[in-house]
Amino acid sequence: QVQLVESGGGVVQPGGSLRLSCAASGFTFGDFGMHWVRQAPGKGLEWVAMISFDGSDKYHADSVKGRLTISRDNSKNSLYLQMNSLTTEDTAVYYCARPSFTGGSGWFDPWGQGTLVTVSS
Amino acid sequence: EIVMTQSPATLSVSPGESATLSCRASQSVSSNLAWYQQKPGQAPSLLILGASIRATGIPARFSGSGSGTEFTLTISSLQFEDFAVYYCQQYSNWPALTFGGGTKVEIK
Repeated sequence: QVQLVESGGGVVQPGGSLRLSCAASGFTFGDFGMHWVRQAPGKGLEWVAMISFDGSDKYHADSVKGRLTISRDNSKNSLYLQMNSLTTEDTAVYYCARPSFTGGSGWFDPWGQGTLVTVSS
Repeated sequence: EIVMTQSPATLSVSPGESATLSCRASQSVSSNLAWYQQKPGQAPSLLILGASIRATGIPARFSGSGSGTEFTLTISSLQFEDFAVYYCQQYSNWPALTFGGGTKVEIK
């Protein structure tokens, strides 16, 4: 079955960096565009970034553009989110998400457990 | 980017009653809409896809309707396990697969 396991979260100071990872299994990872979605404490779900199946195309929300960067390694069935110049606004649980359609669109099912990033001094 | 707006923000309902949640898109998304349920401390879980198709294992008391810009999730005869936050998500316009702000269904 499809499984997504996020890791790499933690506490970081404002202006700091962090790299999140997502280990995917149960499906042909290299066939699917992949997404990161985040949820600030007590808030709703926010789309963060998407990467095409082969990594050639990357898209980021305006709120994170230039600071957070999505990437992937298909040989390792892994998705990444490099987070630089972090602010308190980036505090959230980060989920990696596989869409239902290989091109990158669709609903998300299942979800991983997420990894918590806390930006605080 | 398509903006998704959910209403109300909070819905107070007694167990056994029904709940009607609304989701509106800033432009037509056809039937490319999903609903999720999220309980405290858990990741979201898929309820409805294609605006009205229940995901595998979802009870019949959950039903979705609508197309274009107006959508509804109805939960009939609310069970205690249904009290949660519900989100809609459009997948018509990507890569930004946007979510509504959520509706919290709480016990009255």
